Amino acid sequence: SQQGEEDPQALSIQEGENATMNCSYKTSINNLQWYRQNSGRGLVHLILIRSNEREKHSGRLRVTLDTSKKSSSLLITASRAADTASYFCVINAGNNRKLIWGLGTSLAVNP
Amino acid sequence: DGGITQSPKYLFRKEGQNVTLSCEQNLNHDAMYWYRQDPGQGLRLIYYSQIVNDFQKGDIAEGYSVSREKKESFPLTVTSAQKNPTAFYLCASSSGQTRYEQYFGPGTRLTVT
Repeated sequence: SQQGEEDPQALSIQEGENATMNCSYKTSINNLQWYRQNSGRGLVHLILIRSNEREKHSGRLRVTLDTSKKSSSLLITASRAADTASYFCVINAGNNRKLIWGLGTSLAVNP
Repeated sequence: DGGITQSPKYLFRKEGQNVTLSCEQNLNHDAMYWYRQDPGQGLRLIYYSQIVNDFQKGDIAEGYSVSREKKESFPLTVTSAQKNPTAFYLCASSSGQTRYEQYFGPGTRLTVT
């Protein structure tokens, strides 16, 4: 399967702690994205990192990409209860716009 | 406000009936997508369209049909041939300039009994 595989499947932390989610994939990619989905709702794009980039920041989010290891990580610093959601690693490979979705990491931030 | 709307939010149908899910966007995006999400799963691509009057099958197109007569609209019909239609359906769009980032609607939860 080409899809990204997130690790862990579920994560529970206290408010204020950092949360790290990892993603591994098997194919060469054009870019990798992370999306968030609150319970039973639509998805929100968080960040995109291109294959020639190694790290990107957006607010409290930090994404790294290691193409030699075919892996990425998403770090959420100083987590809040509102960060409780599922987080999906999504890869784009080949020469079209199709995205390949992982199964997600379920994050619970406890107040 | 720009965005993607899907209607209705919840839909109930009897087995054997076709049902059409609406998706409209006012973001002036060229590409539109339909995904299906089952509990605890990632998204699976049903159909996508990169321009008006053109669309391609995704990974799980069997039992579904689409049309793209207008740039703003990409309705999905779940036919009676779809063996397991109960699911959460998500519509998305992307522009030609930010071509990989997809914007999602709120989804339609379809229950077929």
